[in-house]
Amino acid sequence: DIQLTQSPSFLSASIGDTVTITCRANQDIRNYLAWFQQKPGKVPQLLIYAAVTLQAGVPSRFSGSASGSDFTLTISSLQPEDVATYFCQNYDSAPQTFGPGTKVDIK
Amino acid sequence: QVQLQESGPGLVRPSGTLSLTCAVSGASISDSNWWTWVRQPPGKGLEWIGEIYHNGNTNYSPSLKSRVRISVDESKNQFSLNLTSAIAADTAVYHCVRVDSRGFLADPWGPGTLVIVSS
Repeated sequence: DIQLTQSPSFLSASIGDTVTITCRANQDIRNYLAWFQQKPGKVPQLLIYAAVTLQAGVPSRFSGSASGSDFTLTISSLQPEDVATYFCQNYDSAPQTFGPGTKVDIK
Repeated sequence: QVQLQESGPGLVRPSGTLSLTCAVSGASISDSNWWTWVRQPPGKGLEWIGEIYHNGNTNYSPSLKSRVRISVDESKNQFSLNLTSAIAADTAVYHCVRVDSRGFLADPWGPGTLVIVSS
């Protein structure tokens, strides 16, 4: 199975800061990686798919990048409504897997 | 817009069978590629359980494969999850999710249903 690791597991940043979350796959997943945002008590929502493609309706301060098996989610200019846990997910092949999540809070 | 709604018992006895159904509206279950179950234990991360195609083809998580079965009922436009030999670690919110034709899990997910395994 493909394993995903995320770092950090928790981060606290100020409003307006640029935040970076990393997801690493232990095998080549050909950029079949998605990022989800889960706000407290809510259902996960898709932010990015194919590693770099922004889902329709998602604010442009969210962006994704890829380099080999390393993937990055960047939030430029962190906003209060961005407080959430962020998960990466591999959908290259079954079984699909999720990263353990990164909790983002406001300092 | 496609909507999914999970239903089933909220309490399952240990060693019993956890059975959930996902009703699909706004789309035909025969149209999309795959349909998936994902679960989330309280306060923990997301776990992919498995997926089914409308023709009945399935893929399961290796860690659950011996206990899980996903089935589809095209006539009712729904798909179901059965998890046998339930244990406390199966306590979680269970979501059903549509898979986009491009392969990723599509919004919106079903709202989820909490299943507690306890005597």
